[in-house]
Amino acid sequence: EDQVTQSPEALRLQEGESSSLNCSYTVSGLRGLFWYRQDPGKGPEFLFTLYSAGEEKEKERLKATLTKKESFLHITAPKPEDSATYLCAVQRKAAGNKLTFGGGTRVLVKP
Amino acid sequence: GAVVSQHPSWVICKSGTSVKIECRSLDFQATTMFWYRQFPKQSLMLMATSNEGSKATYEQGVEKDKFLINHASLTLSTLTVTSAHPEDSSFYICSAEAAGPGPKQYFGPGTRLTVT
Repeated sequence: EDQVTQSPEALRLQEGESSSLNCSYTVSGLRGLFWYRQDPGKGPEFLFTLYSAGEEKEKERLKATLTKKESFLHITAPKPEDSATYLCAVQRKAAGNKLTFGGGTRVLVKP
Repeated sequence: GAVVSQHPSWVICKSGTSVKIECRSLDFQATTMFWYRQFPKQSLMLMATSNEGSKATYEQGVEKDKFLINHASLTLSTLTVTSAHPEDSSFYICSAEAAGPGPKQYFGPGTRLTVT
């Protein structure tokens, strides 16, 4: 059974205080690992897809990395508008296109 | 690009009635759509996978007779909650898989269902 665990559950940051979110996964035959951002009362917004260990992707203040067991989402010099819940999900090769989500990390960036 | 819409954005219904939620991919064709539900402060739980022109595949524990899914075209999937009860109150979110390099799922804005 695929398992995705995100930590911490919640993170309070001062504006400009960089930090990292962790996503540990157990999946047999990883097809892709996905990061999404979700604002309250809205659907998830796609951020990144990572396919193989060593891969990195960046978008503005966000950078995602992948190893064989975990992924990190680094937030550099965050701003209050980066406050959201960040979701990690995995897609297994033999499971069609289904995504298994972690519990998410709620990030609050205070000015 | 890759915009997914849902209608309605919120709905209140009485216990025992049925509610239909629409999910549309606006600028791309999606052979596969997914339906999730999300309880407050919890993550997304997959309910079913919907493929255009065929029956939906439901996850274990999801009642197929209660949550009817129809995927009539490459841009539209519907979820009907039949004989709704208060415990069905939740945030329902759909996603659509876009073709092209790399698998990507794009999510709709969600539908808040409240059953009174």
